[in-house]
Amino acid sequence: GQNIDQPTEMTATEGAIVQINCTYQTSGFNGLFWYQQHAGEAPTFLSYNVLDGLEEKGRFSSFLSRSKGYSYLLLKELQMKDSASYLCAVETGGSYIPTFGRGTSLIVHP
Amino acid sequence: GAVVSQHPSWVICKSGTSVKIECRSLDFQATTMFWYRQFPKQSLMLMATSNEGSKATYEQGVEKDKFLINHASLTLSTLTVTSAHPEDSSFYICSARVRGTSGTGELFFGEGSRLTVL
Repeated sequence: GQNIDQPTEMTATEGAIVQINCTYQTSGFNGLFWYQQHAGEAPTFLSYNVLDGLEEKGRFSSFLSRSKGYSYLLLKELQMKDSASYLCAVETGGSYIPTFGRGTSLIVHP
Repeated sequence: GAVVSQHPSWVICKSGTSVKIECRSLDFQATTMFWYRQFPKQSLMLMATSNEGSKATYEQGVEKDKFLINHASLTLSTLTVTSAHPEDSSFYICSARVRGTSGTGELFFGEGSRLTVL
């Protein structure tokens, strides 16, 4: 079966840096997504990692280690609007079907 | 980026009635669409994979007779919740990939449809 694990909740201060971890044990691996979801809204795409290493995109960076089944999302210069749920999703199989983790609720306070 | 439109955004219905939710890719063709269900403070649970021109593939535990999926064209997939009950109340979200890509890019999500069954 597929198992994707991420912390349930994290808190951080405005302007700080926060790292959200995701570990996975899946049957096969094609790639890993990170999505941001504000309450009551659909998820929005943040990143997609296929190869090991760090990919930086503005204030957000995503890291992947396939051998360790591990990824993290790094958010820099946190803003209040970054308060949201962050979903890790692993894509497996020939159909590239993504399986989502439970999401990490990030609370940014002043 | 590509746009996926979902309709209705929210619906309230009586127990025992059926509700249809539409998912449209507005500016691209989508061979495959995914239907997810999300309970409050929970993650997205894949219900089924909708394939254009063929039967949907349902995840284990999802009743195919209760959640009817039709993917009649490359731009439209529908989810019909039949004989809805209060426990079917949830946030339903569809997503799609651009035709011709297979896991090499993002999933585009619809806005979601919040169903409340009284």
